[in-house]
Amino acid sequence: GEDVEQSLFLSVREGDSSVINCTYTDSSSTYLYWYKQEPGAGLQLLTYIFSNMDMKQDQRLTVLLNKKDKHLSLRIADTQTGDSAIYFCAEKGRTGNQFYFGTGTSLTVIP
Amino acid sequence: ETGVTQSPTHLIKTRGQQVTLRCSSQSGHNTVSWYQQALGQGPQFIFQYYREEENGRGNFPPRFSGLQFPNYSSELNVNALELDDSALYLCASSPSPGEVHNEQFFGPGTRLTVL
Repeated sequence: GEDVEQSLFLSVREGDSSVINCTYTDSSSTYLYWYKQEPGAGLQLLTYIFSNMDMKQDQRLTVLLNKKDKHLSLRIADTQTGDSAIYFCAEKGRTGNQFYFGTGTSLTVIP
Repeated sequence: ETGVTQSPTHLIKTRGQQVTLRCSSQSGHNTVSWYQQALGQGPQFIFQYYREEENGRGNFPPRFSGLQFPNYSSELNVNALELDDSALYLCASSPSPGEVHNEQFFGPGTRLTVL
């Protein structure tokens, strides 16, 4: 299956920017997603980007996509303590209905 | 509009037993996907149901089976439970399957522990 890789941990100070990175292998992916999971909860979709875009901005969130390097990043501006959670990137292939998730990056925001 | 709900929230079973997990999809959604999330891992796709038929399956053995009902709610059944089946099982509903973007709305999950 497809491999989606993320670094496991990230720690930032409140008010700083966070950048969470992800690499994927399926060059035919149509959409790439960022999900947030808080303790004991399901996954919440934060944002997504279509594969023919290279950037998408949504309030404090900026997604950058480098298709050549198969690299996706999520930047959170002015990170708040409420942003502490696990962040998953996911890709949806051109065929099929399967979403492939990364292992998740645990973001800790230090007050 | 109600969100995706799952029951039970927690479950403890022993090896060899069978378990049924339930999911009610969000109003207006006809597609349900099931995921297994082991501790410290990302969700792994088990299968998807669309209009009561299986519509895609991940790399899980046949002892993982499912159903979707006319009201689009769904069940995940696991037979002959193994210790490695211990995980958070997530259900996600979406308006339709297919090739275009369709947002999946996740339920809170069922935590299954196999002893």
